[in-house]
Amino acid sequence: DQQVKQNSPSLSVQEGRISILNCDYTNSMFDYFLWYKKYPAEGPTFLISISSIKDKNEDGRFTVFLNKSAKHLSLHIVPSQPGDSAVYFCAASATSGGSNYKLTFGKGTLLTVNP
Amino acid sequence: KAGVTQTPRYLIKTRGQQVTLSCSPISGHRSVSWYQQTPGQGLQFLFEYFSETQRNKGNFPGRFSGRQFSNSRSEMNVSTLELGDSALYLCASSFVQGVRNEQFFGPGTRLTVL
Repeated sequence: DQQVKQNSPSLSVQEGRISILNCDYTNSMFDYFLWYKKYPAEGPTFLISISSIKDKNEDGRFTVFLNKSAKHLSLHIVPSQPGDSAVYFCAASATSGGSNYKLTFGKGTLLTVNP
Repeated sequence: KAGVTQTPRYLIKTRGQQVTLSCSPISGHRSVSWYQQTPGQGLQFLFEYFSETQRNKGNFPGRFSGRQFSNSRSEMNVSTLELGDSALYLCASSFVQGVRNEQFFGPGTRLTVL
């Protein structure tokens, strides 16, 4: 049972345009969400997070939006750069539900930013 | 500051063997978590150690075990290897427990079971 779903295995975007990566979740106990980026042969690196008390969090070119009623979050990258090409993982945790230690990951979306 | 290191980076074993993977967290970090990444299942939580004690465990069989030493280094052991254990094993460290504290991942150990 996949509690965190990233339905697009891949996404291709032109440099300078917006990249939108989507993530859906089914567990209503999830209250903390994160995005990680992963380059080949490296471990995932933290990008940005959002708590369920917010609906938006911004950090430079990266913005995460959370729609709790739809159990959906998205990561916007504006403007996209070739160096953003990587696999992006959405992750969630039920921090107030006793699972503060554990991240549940989606399967990832491969973003390719074309020059 | 050195990042999380994992050794070995690549490993080939045969079915029935056992394997031990090592993870050295960032200096000062006391929490170490292990994840298994496979193409079919994505990243799945294995277990978490804090101050030499396993605090939490995911839904994996007892063949998967681990430990943490007083210097916070951690090892993960898989006994009686199965083909399905072929995966990238990632460890992550953080200063304290809790996912709201940034976890830093190592590059992983790629295990192939033949």
